[in-house]
Amino acid sequence: GIQVEQSPPDLILQEGANSTLRCNFSDSVNNLQWFHQNPWGQLINLFYIPSGTKQNGRLSATTVATERYSLLYISSSQTTDSGVYFCAVAPNAGKSTFGDGTTLTVKP
Amino acid sequence: EPEVTQTPSHQVTQMGQEVILRCVPISNHLYFYWYRQILGQKVEFLVSFYNNEISEKSEIFDDQFSVERPDGSNFTLKIRSTKLEDSAMYFCASSAIKGPRYGYTFGSGTRLTVV
Repeated sequence: GIQVEQSPPDLILQEGANSTLRCNFSDSVNNLQWFHQNPWGQLINLFYIPSGTKQNGRLSATTVATERYSLLYISSSQTTDSGVYFCAVAPNAGKSTFGDGTTLTVKP
Repeated sequence: EPEVTQTPSHQVTQMGQEVILRCVPISNHLYFYWYRQILGQKVEFLVSFYNNEISEKSEIFDDQFSVERPDGSNFTLKIRSTKLEDSAMYFCASSAIKGPRYGYTFGSGTRLTVV
C-alpha cells in the first residue's frame, strides 16, 4: 500500500516563530488532507489539497503532486497551534492512509 | 458547515461487553468509514461502507467488528466482545463520492476505554 512519511516527528517553537511540516508519499494520490489533532483528540480538517497551494489565515499548504510531497506552513505560531499534525492521502478510491504525524509544541 | 456527529464522546466498558459506537454522517454523503487511533499512534483505517455493504476492510476489522446503517441517518460500529486492546479513539468519516476526491469529513471521535 501507499507509504506516508511526515517530518519532523517533533517540533518545538517559541511563540511567533514560523514552521514548515513536510509530508512525502510513495504513490500518486487524488486526495491529500492536512489535519490538526487538538489536545482533546479531535481531528480538525485544515486543508483538502491534492495539488496546488491554499491559504487560510496563518496557515498555508502546498502540494507538488508530481514530486509526491506536501508542505504545511504555520506562520507567527501561537500556543493554540500545539498538537499533532497529520497528513492523510488516498489514491483513486477508498481509504485514506495517515502519516505518523508531527507533534508541534509552541512555547509562550 | 455540515458536520459528522459521533456519540458518545467517551465510553467506558468492561472487557467482554458489547459496545455500539454511533455516527450521523453528512446527509448527502454516500460513503462512510471508521478509523481508529490507539493512544499515541497514528490513525488506522478499519472499514468503508457504501450502498449498504462493506466495500473494504482492514485486517484489524475481524469478526468481532460489524457495521450497520440501520436507518437513513445513522452509521454504527459494533464490537461484540471488547478486549483491552480495543481501547482507542474511534473516528467516523463520510465523503460525497467514492475515492474522497473532495475530502473526508471526520467526526470528533469516540474515546473507548475498556477496563
